[in-house]
Amino acid sequence: GDSVTQMEGPVTLSEEAFLTINCTYTATGYPSLFWYVQYPGEGLQLLLKATKADDKGSNKGFEATYRKETTSFHLEKGSVQVSDSAVYFCALSERSGGSNYKLTFGKGTLLTVNP
Amino acid sequence: EPEVTQTPSHQVTQMGQEVILRCVPISNHLYFYWYRQILGQKVEFLVSFYNNEISEKSEIFDDQFSVERPDGSNFTLKIRSTKLEDSAMYFCASRQGGEKLFFGSGTQLSVL
Repeated sequence: GDSVTQMEGPVTLSEEAFLTINCTYTATGYPSLFWYVQYPGEGLQLLLKATKADDKGSNKGFEATYRKETTSFHLEKGSVQVSDSAVYFCALSERSGGSNYKLTFGKGTLLTVNP
Repeated sequence: EPEVTQTPSHQVTQMGQEVILRCVPISNHLYFYWYRQILGQKVEFLVSFYNNEISEKSEIFDDQFSVERPDGSNFTLKIRSTKLEDSAMYFCASRQGGEKLFFGSGTQLSVL
């Protein structure tokens, strides 16, 4: 079945450092790709998405490009802030007919940004 | 922004006991989900629910699990006889019809 592999954490950075969290996927079809973020005490929130090859998703200074040739969707941010400290989840969508639709997630990467 | 609400935030139970995890999805959403994350592992799909019936379930979702939408606003996950390996964070999610899922903050279930 489809699967997502993302960089093991935890990742600890200083404020204003460059962030990359790697994500690769295996899929039989043409999934949409997502990054979700979970801030402490909250639910998973959609951060950004890309629906087809070469699309770039972006939000709050984060970016990720859907690379079909490398089956990757790496998350990047040029200058992280303390408020970016959270768990980041890479995910892909699967449609299996009719209304059947679900997300397949990676393990999540804990990011801690120190002042 | 509307939220998915889950209660309780923490649940401790003895092995073999029944637990019910509760969720209130966003009111105009049509599709409902349960996921779980065992510590250190991936977030795993359990079940999806649409039009008052299960639309898809994973291998994890065996006869010990059931879901219900009893009153048009709540969406519950019942585990009939809990096992130690059911200890996990359980997330409820809903969506209206597009690809964006809205998640609750989770219920941490500890089975002793």
